[in-house]
Amino acid sequence: AQTVTQSQPEMSVQEAETVTLSCTYDTSESDYYLFWYKQPPSRQMILVIRQEAYKQQNATENRFSVNFQKAAKSFSLKISDSQLGDAAMYFCAYGIIQGAQKLVFGQGTRLTINP
Amino acid sequence: DTGVSQNPRHKITKRGQNVTFRCDPISEHNRLYWYRQTLGQGPEFLTYFQNEAQLEKSRLLSDRFSAERPKGSFSTLEIQRTEQGDSAMYLCASSLIGAGQGLTYEQYFGPGTRLTVT
Repeated sequence: AQTVTQSQPEMSVQEAETVTLSCTYDTSESDYYLFWYKQPPSRQMILVIRQEAYKQQNATENRFSVNFQKAAKSFSLKISDSQLGDAAMYFCAYGIIQGAQKLVFGQGTRLTINP
Repeated sequence: DTGVSQNPRHKITKRGQNVTFRCDPISEHNRLYWYRQTLGQGPEFLTYFQNEAQLEKSRLLSDRFSAERPKGSFSTLEIQRTEQGDSAMYLCASSLIGAGQGLTYEQYFGPGTRLTVT
């Protein structure tokens, strides 16, 4: 069975600085996607960034970038120039391309931004 | 595009009562997913529909749970004889899968229904 592990229950960073959230996963599949979702307090989950496993190039979305290490099954999220609005729970998720494409989520990392 | 909506947002019920939640997906989306999220944990998959067909159910979905998606539009999730262990956030997500739709596999989530069983 696929599993996703986020080893950092909580992280904090000073506003304008950079923070990296860690994620590891376990799978025997070769074709899959990895995602980082953001869940602000009492608000719905939104997609931050997506990485296709077959792509070697790391995905980037504005201030958000990933470090995807397929052999190590590692998928970390780097947030540059942290802003107060980045404060939220961040979930790493895995989904295979075929079939249900259901997502398997990690336990989440609570990110606090200190002004 | 008004996004995924869920009703009610909060539900408090007594143990043993039945509850029903509704999810309205993004209108053109053909896939609809239900997840359950307990406090301090990530969401866990419960079931999904492609159009009106329920194609997979997790072992987390006991016989007390039933989901429907008539006509491939909105979906309902019913829990019969609720137990305190059913207290959680129930999330709905939708996506568009098919030829020519692009391979984004992105699921769009609703705000969730928070269930408290007393």
